[in-house]
Amino acid sequence: GNSVTQMEGPVTLSEEAFLTINCTYTATGYPSLFWYVQYPGEGLQLLLKATKADDKGSNKGFEATYRKETTSFHLEKGSVQVSDSAVYFCALSDSNTGNQFYFGTGTSLTVIP
Amino acid sequence: DTGVSQDPRHKITKRGQNVTFRCDPISEHNRLYWYRQTLGQGPEFLTYFQNEAQLEKSRLLSDRFSAERPKGSFSTLEIQRTEQGDSAMYLCASSYGPDTQYFGPGTRLTVL
Repeated sequence: GNSVTQMEGPVTLSEEAFLTINCTYTATGYPSLFWYVQYPGEGLQLLLKATKADDKGSNKGFEATYRKETTSFHLEKGSVQVSDSAVYFCALSDSNTGNQFYFGTGTSLTVIP
Repeated sequence: DTGVSQDPRHKITKRGQNVTFRCDPISEHNRLYWYRQTLGQGPEFLTYFQNEAQLEKSRLLSDRFSAERPKGSFSTLEIQRTEQGDSAMYLCASSYGPDTQYFGPGTRLTVL
């Protein structure tokens, strides 16, 4: 079946530190992969996506590369800011299963000045 | 583009009562999804519609849950005879075909 395994948190970093949040997946078909971000009290916002192997999604300084050989989609940012503090969710969408999303459990990030 | 909206944002009810939530998707989107999110977890799929047809339901969706999308626009999710275990954030998302899903702010349900 389909599933997403995400690095457990919480993660606390100092401002301007390098961020990596690991995400690996299991899928029956050829999924699309996503990172969503949830700020306190808000809904999920799409951060970036990749639809096929070797694609790199990027947005707001965040990047993730779709690695089929390692079934991974790790999120990275070179220099985090306090405003990046949020919960990050990795997700996959599989056209074989009606495109419902399968989410990881989320990783809470706190950036301290 | 006004985004996905949900109403109400918060609902507190007593065990055994019925509740209904509404979701208004992005206007040109033909697919609409419901998810449930509990504290510290990622959203879990409940059901989805393509236009007015309900195409898939999760095993999480017990007999007490029913969802409709009568004219292929807004959708309602009703929970009958609520239980304390139903307390969660209920999220709605929409998409145009098999593409990126855009999420609403959610309805937080508390069952006392």
